[in-house]
Amino acid sequence: TQLLEQSPQFLSIQEGENLTVYCNSSSVFSSLQWYRQEPGEGPVLLVTVVTGGEVKKLKRLTFQFGDARKDSSLHITAAQPGDTGLYLCAGENAGNMLTFGGGTRLMVKP
Amino acid sequence: GAVVSQHPSWVICKSGTSVKIECRSLDFQATTMFWYRQFPKQSLMLMATSNEGSKATYEQGVEKDKFLINHASLTLSTLTVTSAHPEDSSFYICSARPRINRGGYEQYFGPGTRLTVT
Repeated sequence: TQLLEQSPQFLSIQEGENLTVYCNSSSVFSSLQWYRQEPGEGPVLLVTVVTGGEVKKLKRLTFQFGDARKDSSLHITAAQPGDTGLYLCAGENAGNMLTFGGGTRLMVKP
Repeated sequence: GAVVSQHPSWVICKSGTSVKIECRSLDFQATTMFWYRQFPKQSLMLMATSNEGSKATYEQGVEKDKFLINHASLTLSTLTVTSAHPEDSSFYICSARPRINRGGYEQYFGPGTRLTVT
């Protein structure tokens, strides 16, 4: 069974601060995806990383895939209240199935 | 593009009754759809993988006779919770993988269905 450990579980910060969310595993994934979920809604895909060492930027969000394709990070610069939500990482295995991390609940206070 | 809908968005039913949840890919065909369950403040747990025209593959611990999955077409999968009990109350989310992959590995998620069993 592949496990993805996501940290921290909860994060409460002030507007303008930076933060990093980590997603770690002992398993290798063919790809890793980051989602954001609002209460009562389904997850919305933010990014997919495929290549070891890959870095992708989405405005103030920077995503990195570890060289060994076992871990990933999400860095948010100058967080805004609109960034509040549940962030989920999900690793895809060779069978094309997703394993989700436990999620990071982010609250950005104005 | 890549929109997935679910119906209903919420449902309240009495204990012992059955509830059907639909998952549709609106603008693409999906050979594979996935059903997840999410409890409050927790992450998504995969329940089953549904392939068009074949039987669903259930994850360990998920009762296939209780959670009936049908994937009759390339755009529709249904999950029927049979003889529902209060402990089945949860947020059920489906996702769909495009038949023609656009070069990525993504699954597209529906908005979820909140089931409350009284």
